[in-house]
Amino acid sequence: DVKVTQSSRYLVKRTGEKVFLECVQDMDHENMFWYRQDPGLGLRLIYFSYDVKMKEKGDIPEGYSVSREKKERFSLILESASTNQTSMYLCASSSHTAGGELFFGEGSRLTVL
Amino acid sequence: GNSVTQMEGPVTLSEEAFLTINCTYTATGYPSLFWYVQYPGEGLQLLLKATKADDKGSNKGFEATYRKETTSFHLEKGSVQVSDSAVYFCALSGTGFQKLVFGTGTRLLVSP
Repeated sequence: DVKVTQSSRYLVKRTGEKVFLECVQDMDHENMFWYRQDPGLGLRLIYFSYDVKMKEKGDIPEGYSVSREKKERFSLILESASTNQTSMYLCASSSHTAGGELFFGEGSRLTVL
Repeated sequence: GNSVTQMEGPVTLSEEAFLTINCTYTATGYPSLFWYVQYPGEGLQLLLKATKADDKGSNKGFEATYRKETTSFHLEKGSVQVSDSAVYFCALSGTGFQKLVFGTGTRLLVSP
């Protein structure tokens, strides 16, 4: 069964902490994405990557960075967490040839106190 | 730029009622259109898609037709079930790099 796995379903962090959200996919997909999901705002793209060591800013990259050292793994980093980064974070992957279809992980719900 | 507009929810229906969730889009070129569904506590999963005008996507009793003349991709189901309760997202993928743009989502609540 093909999967996108996010390392943590629930996290609670304090303001100023560094936070790592990990995502691994087993489908050999070239493209990987990080979205955040907030009520009334839908999904907003933070960063994406179309190849190893490549990254592109999405619509709301401020306060975030990413790392893609291996094809199957895409990490989202909050250098100094703030309360307005409390949200659901969704990782997704896709193939270059899939016509845009995304495969999503189950999400990581982050609370910053 | 590309954008998707969905009807606001929640949409509340009784079991076996007819469902329509409206979706309209703005895009340059010829986008592909998608409906994703998010069940409680889960990530999103693809429900159906259409890649060109007049295509009809269908899955699990849901269907949507790509209408270029009205820039719409409304989701319909003839008879909803309690298990259809979820959040539904309309999305489009523009030409070039396949980055999806999502609507804000519509929550569907189906009661027995």
